[in-house]
Amino acid sequence: AQSVTQPDIHITVSEGASLELRCNYSYGATPYLFWYVQSPGQGLQLLLKYFSGDTLVQGIKGFEAEFKRSQSSFNLRKPSVHWSDAAEYFCAVDPLTGRRALTFGSGTRLQVQP
Amino acid sequence: DSGVTQTPKHLITATGQRVTLRCSPRSGDLSVYWYQQSLDQGLQFLIQYYNGEERAKGNILERFSAQQFPDLHSELNLSSLELGDSALYFCASSPGTSGGLTDTQYFGPGTRLTVL
Repeated sequence: AQSVTQPDIHITVSEGASLELRCNYSYGATPYLFWYVQSPGQGLQLLLKYFSGDTLVQGIKGFEAEFKRSQSSFNLRKPSVHWSDAAEYFCAVDPLTGRRALTFGSGTRLQVQP
Repeated sequence: DSGVTQTPKHLITATGQRVTLRCSPRSGDLSVYWYQQSLDQGLQFLIQYYNGEERAKGNILERFSAQQFPDLHSELNLSSLELGDSALYFCASSPGTSGGLTDTQYFGPGTRLTVL
């Protein structure tokens, strides 16, 4: 079955530390991949997206993500986390066939310690 | 600010009632999507409209319906409300052009519905 998995429900990092949030997908072909961030009480903001080409994608707020076809993964990274990065992060997939709506992972809540 | 607007921001109502949520897409976007975010179900796709026509349906209950008007704004109608319908309802829009091959969805701030 097609699915998007974010294995980590909750992650805590110290301010200034590096961050990696995991996302794995299970689709027949490589889908389009997205990361969105949701701050408390806010909507979803697009961080970055991967359609094709360079497998390392740069996004806003200093985030990047790497697409690894062999691992069916699209992990989000940031070299140095700021307190304002505390939020919930969602990986999403556009399957490119059939219904083109996004399928979201269950989200990873990031807590940043001072 | 994504350019997608949703009203109202909050809505509190009683079981059995009917409500209408409104969404205005980004200027020029032809596609509108509705999603529901709840604690137990996560973020789930409900329905998509493209230039006034229904294009795709997801996990939308029969008590729910939507439409997209000629000015491209969209409304999501929820009727016979139940406690379990309490959730955050998001609207997203995308250009919907070029066959949607590289469409990116931009989300509004959401409407929080509380059913008492």
